[in-house]
Amino acid sequence: AQSVTQLDSHVSVSEGTPVLLRCNYSSSYSPSLFWYVQHPNKGLQLLLKYTSAATLVKGINGFEAEFKKSETSFHLTKPSAHMSDAAEYFCVVSDSGGYQKVTFGIGTKLQVIP
Amino acid sequence: NAGVTQTPKFQVLKTGQSMTLQCAQDMNHNSMYWYRQDPGMGLRLIYYSASEGTTDKGEVPNGYNVSRLNKREFSLRLESAAPSQTSVYFCASRYLGQPNTEAFFGQGTRLTVV
Repeated sequence: AQSVTQLDSHVSVSEGTPVLLRCNYSSSYSPSLFWYVQHPNKGLQLLLKYTSAATLVKGINGFEAEFKKSETSFHLTKPSAHMSDAAEYFCVVSDSGGYQKVTFGIGTKLQVIP
Repeated sequence: NAGVTQTPKFQVLKTGQSMTLQCAQDMNHNSMYWYRQDPGMGLRLIYYSASEGTTDKGEVPNGYNVSRLNKREFSLRLESAAPSQTSVYFCASRYLGQPNTEAFFGQGTRLTVV
């Protein structure tokens, strides 16, 4: 079985300050991990993905995430928040089994305060 | 290259009415998915089709049926709509067969059942 826990349902930061969105996972197989972003009334867009090639993954718009197997974590960070980063972020795990089942976290809403 | 296209974008139904949500992808993906998104619950899988000609239930299949019409198209049908089916529905596609591939999402269908 696999699961994803996003530890914060809401995060509020000031513009220009760092962003940290936390995600823990469990998976029976060697997992693939993804972060998606959803802007209001939009579809989901891939930010970045971990595929075991490197533990620190860089994505679009200055986001990055670090895979820590010992902590079963895949936290998303950005050094300096921009107003356009206000959105909902989903951590997603996919196992390497036959169907590669995909499981979503419940999402973290990021608010950026001017 | 349109990616994943869903129609309609918005729909209001009366309880007991039926409707079909359409989804088409032009990326030659073999797998397609239907999710529903509800506040505080992330995305939950309704049905999926791992390849043309096959469909399987996800986490929340009750009240829905699907048809994988061909490789490109995957429709979701509500036979007798209920208020509990008020949600935002997302179609996604993915290439299954290579590890670590991400899913691509449509823009969503916002359905209200009154």
